[in-house]
Amino acid sequence: SAVISQKPSRDICQRGTSLTIQCQVDSQVTMMFWYRQQPGQSLTLIATANQGSEATYESGFVIDKFPISRPNLTFSTLTVSNMSPEDSSIYLCSGTSGGSYNEQFFGPGTRLTVL
Amino acid sequence: DAKTTQPPSMDCAEGRAANLPCNHSTISGNEYVYWYRQIHSQGPQYIIHGLKNNETNEMASLIITEDRKSSTLILPHATLRDTAVYYCIVRVYSSGNTPLVFGKGTRLSVIA
Repeated sequence: SAVISQKPSRDICQRGTSLTIQCQVDSQVTMMFWYRQQPGQSLTLIATANQGSEATYESGFVIDKFPISRPNLTFSTLTVSNMSPEDSSIYLCSGTSGGSYNEQFFGPGTRLTVL
Repeated sequence: DAKTTQPPSMDCAEGRAANLPCNHSTISGNEYVYWYRQIHSQGPQYIIHGLKNNETNEMASLIITEDRKSSTLILPHATLRDTAVYYCIVRVYSSGNTPLVFGKGTRLSVIA
């Protein structure tokens, strides 16, 4: 399966600032997704990153707060805008290759702390 | 996608088999059962999946009941490195357009 890397792996930010997280896949993937995992919780889907077009957001997530780009088949970014302490979470990038059993694989996550 | 029910936590002695149950009583005929696990501070990792037949790979075995309303993931010889949160997910087999939807999972603690 493909390998996903994320940058940064962790960061500590001040409230009101923004952070852009990069996701790089080592091979082409069909779909890319972004998840959030709040402390002690399960993963929640933020959005589907669409190549060359606007991302598709899940209920409760909006583009102004979480702008997403996907300029090609192997790269995507998620920005967490105007951060507050409630945004402290792990943000995970994920992709599917559309292979024989549609395995969905995940990056290591970006641990964000907002002070 | 159908919902799943898993016990919140389980313990297992090192070297013994870990049997993790999952209830998916509303599963549809075209939905597969997937198992993932998340070791602390890592992204989720695929373990195994199945439709109606029992499946086995190098990591685990998946036993699906005949009515497909429940399944059991079996780690035959649990080690300390198997300590993780295990997620049972059902979803329609597709081209990969449908993202996984995670429930709360089962936190498995393997004890020495």
